[in-house]
Amino acid sequence: EIGMTQSPATLSVSPGERATLSCRASQSVSSSLVWYQQKPGQAPRLLISGASTRASGVPARFSGSGSGTEFTLTISSLQSEDFAVYYCQQYNNWPWTFGQGTKVEIK
Amino acid sequence: EVQLVESGGGLVQPGGSLRLSCAASGFTFSNYWMSWVRQAPGKGLEWVANINQGGSEEYYVDSVKGRFTISRDNAKNSLYLQMNSLRAEDTAVYYCAKTTAYWGQGTLVTVSS
Repeated sequence: EIGMTQSPATLSVSPGERATLSCRASQSVSSSLVWYQQKPGQAPRLLISGASTRASGVPARFSGSGSGTEFTLTISSLQSEDFAVYYCQQYNNWPWTFGQGTKVEIK
Repeated sequence: EVQLVESGGGLVQPGGSLRLSCAASGFTFSNYWMSWVRQAPGKGLEWVANINQGGSEEYYVDSVKGRFTISRDNAKNSLYLQMNSLRAEDTAVYYCAKTTAYWGQGTLVTVSS
């Protein structure tokens, strides 16, 4: 099973600032990685697939990068609606596995 | 618009069974792999099972293998999860998903005596 590790666990950011979230895989997952955003009481929402492709309707301030074992989600200028928990997930090998999540909170 | 609506959750005793259903609309259901994903209260996400378009391929996470069965009825645009021998650690919100792209709002399964 591929382990996914996200860092940091919590990120405190002021509105308008840049946020950088990291995700590391225990072995290569090529570009088979997605990022989700989850708000309290809601289902996860797909943000990025294929490591770097924004899903339909996702604002351009969200960008993904990386391949192999190291991945990054960047939110260029945080808006109030972006404060949430973010998960990475690999779909290169079964079982598909998630990181433990990064909570982005208001500083 | 893609819609996935889960049903069938509830309270069940340890060792009991439950069948979850997911009604899909807004896309050609028979063309896509489908999935179940779960999230224990206050915890992270766990991908539970996948099924291919025709239902001939199934994948399960080890923790549910031999106890859960994913299935689908393409004529009814429906996905199912039969859960047997339920344990306290199976308590979670169960989401139906069009693989990674779209998720339903989930149904809560509580396993407790």
